[in-house]
Amino acid sequence: KNEVEQSPQNLTAQEGEFITINCSYSVGISALHWLQQHPGGGIVSLFMLSSGKKKHGRLIATINIQEKHSSLHITASHPRDSAVYICAVSPSNFGNEKLTFGTGTRLTIIP
Amino acid sequence: DAGITQSPRHKVTETGTPVTLRCHQTENHRYMYWYRQDPGHGLRLIHYSYGVKDTDKGEVSDGYSVSRSKTEDFLLTLESATSSQTSVYFCAIEDRGHEQYFGPGTRLTVT
Repeated sequence: KNEVEQSPQNLTAQEGEFITINCSYSVGISALHWLQQHPGGGIVSLFMLSSGKKKHGRLIATINIQEKHSSLHITASHPRDSAVYICAVSPSNFGNEKLTFGTGTRLTIIP
Repeated sequence: DAGITQSPRHKVTETGTPVTLRCHQTENHRYMYWYRQDPGHGLRLIHYSYGVKDTDKGEVSDGYSVSRSKTEDFLLTLESATSSQTSVYFCAIEDRGHEQYFGPGTRLTVT
């Protein structure tokens, strides 16, 4: 069983909708990462967080350490948000050399 | 954007031949990583480096070796390529404890 589970695996929505992507993990962590992989293949780090909430533009990431769960929200979604979103965790007492990645959520925003 | 490049970007090679992939950074970051990405799997760590001549194995290191003779370059070598090593390879760099920055990827096909 993967240590990192994402849901849904695929998500299609209309432009303007509020998007939520979920990530659950089974180990204690020192940090959780959200990454974005565009259709061209490039991977970009969106957030690294260990508690609470972070916001960057229309993207918001939250984490609940007790429940071992994180969500990535996109407000006012746009077709350019279409990408694969990847969750990854660094286990407690380790750095990123032990990052475990989820298999990603493929998001498609229809104009 | 972090200064990280990979070469070559695409390569087709035959089973049994040696292959070397190069990751080059201009950020002077201490940590460098090699991952592979395959359908149905999250990114998986092959090897990483925490300094010049300091490297360690990741989750899927069998069949791969690495070298780091200077801060800016991290080489991944497949001594004798096999079809199971057909994959997309990503290099990443990290300023310790912070987010990782990913290279553009190398698509390797072993026939």
